[in-house]
Amino acid sequence: AQTVTQSQPEMSVQEAETVTLSCTYDTSESDYYLFWYKQPPSRQMILVIRQEAYKQQNATENRFSVNFQKAAKSFSLKISDSQLGDAAMYFCAYRSSATNSGGGADGLTFGKGTHLIIQP
Amino acid sequence: DSGVTQTPKHLITATGQRVTLRCSPRSGDLSVYWYQQSLDQGLQFLIQYYNGEERAKGNILERFSAQQFPDLHSELNLSSLELGDSALYFCASSVVAGRGEQFFGPGTRLTVL
Repeated sequence: AQTVTQSQPEMSVQEAETVTLSCTYDTSESDYYLFWYKQPPSRQMILVIRQEAYKQQNATENRFSVNFQKAAKSFSLKISDSQLGDAAMYFCAYRSSATNSGGGADGLTFGKGTHLIIQP
Repeated sequence: DSGVTQTPKHLITATGQRVTLRCSPRSGDLSVYWYQQSLDQGLQFLIQYYNGEERAKGNILERFSAQQFPDLHSELNLSSLELGDSALYFCASSVVAGRGEQFFGPGTRLTVL
């Protein structure tokens, strides 16, 4: 079974600074997806960024980028120019790329989350 | 707004009771997933349906069941409720053979007293 580990329960960063959230995972599969989700106080789960394991290029979405190290099974999220609205819980998640017709668990496996605090 | 809707937003009930949570996926999405978020267990995948059929099971208790109807909405049934079932229940949907991401509804907050 796949596991996802977020070793930082809480991180704090000054507004406008850069912060990196860590995530490691364990899998025997070679093809999969990785995601970062944000959960603000409203509790809504919001997709921040996604990465396909077969792609070597790191994904980027505006101020959010990832450092994907497949061999090390590491998937960190970098937030540049932190804003007050970035304050939230951030969850790293893993999903197999197996098709639905192939069976097997297709749900997301989540880490325990990192609580990001933005200091004004 | 993800396009996934869930009702009700909040539900308060007593131990031993049965409740039904409802989810409507995004237009065009055939897969529906149910997740439970609790302080003890974190975010856990419960079950997946695809076009009306069960596709994958996660850590779903035998007291819980789900189904997906021809119009693709889904219901999660929780029975013989216990205090520990108090949690936020999310529904998510995705496009089959798509980019892999799942879009989450706003969740149903279940409180068992």
